[in-house]
Amino acid sequence: ETGVTQTPRHLVMGMTNKKSLKCEQHLGHNAMYWYKQSAKKPLELMFVYNFKEQTENNSVPSRFSPECPNSSHLFLHLHTLQPEDSALYLCASSQRGQETQYFGPGTRLLVL
Amino acid sequence: AQSVTQPDIHITVSEGASLELRCNYSYGATPYLFWYVQSPGQGLQLLLKYFSGDTLVQGIKGFEAEFKRSQSSFNLRKPSVHWSDAAEYFCAVGGSSNTGKLIFGQGTTLQVKP
Repeated sequence: ETGVTQTPRHLVMGMTNKKSLKCEQHLGHNAMYWYKQSAKKPLELMFVYNFKEQTENNSVPSRFSPECPNSSHLFLHLHTLQPEDSALYLCASSQRGQETQYFGPGTRLLVL
Repeated sequence: AQSVTQPDIHITVSEGASLELRCNYSYGATPYLFWYVQSPGQGLQLLLKYFSGDTLVQGIKGFEAEFKRSQSSFNLRKPSVHWSDAAEYFCAVGGSSNTGKLIFGQGTTLQVKP
């Protein structure tokens, strides 16, 4: 696989469920990002990881819990979500100092 | 404050016609500028980027963009649009002072008429 991959591509979950989104980058980058894309709204940066360390939490509710075990993998753990959390969740990676972010295809999440 | 404005939410052009998508930014330091394209249900694909040097930047799929510092603009152009160009286009700004973060505009949806 090349580039940035995300699984699953689609997810339907109830408000009491716990699920995880996975992102993997095959580009040798050292920074990874989670974005939320809702209809009619700009992309919202959620979290930034540099060299596995979280460097940005953009006031994201605690029901979203990121995990970055190494520079190639990024997870977003979800629990007790709300219907308004339904969105496309995009992962991206970059090489610090080069600033160009490369995006995965996203996970389309629907919370019922 | 750092921001990106894409004044046109929706644009419709005829196939074969020229295209210009507008982008204005506000950024305190030297900006890095990007254009991304997103097809329905997909992630964002990088079209082109400007870091420094020649202010006219060539990208993929026949797109180009021109950086105009005096106008704080980075408009995207294509001389002849194809039906497959129908998508959403995002302008973004970042920089070395921004710890790798990008600030995105709200996007412009391009519709192509046959």
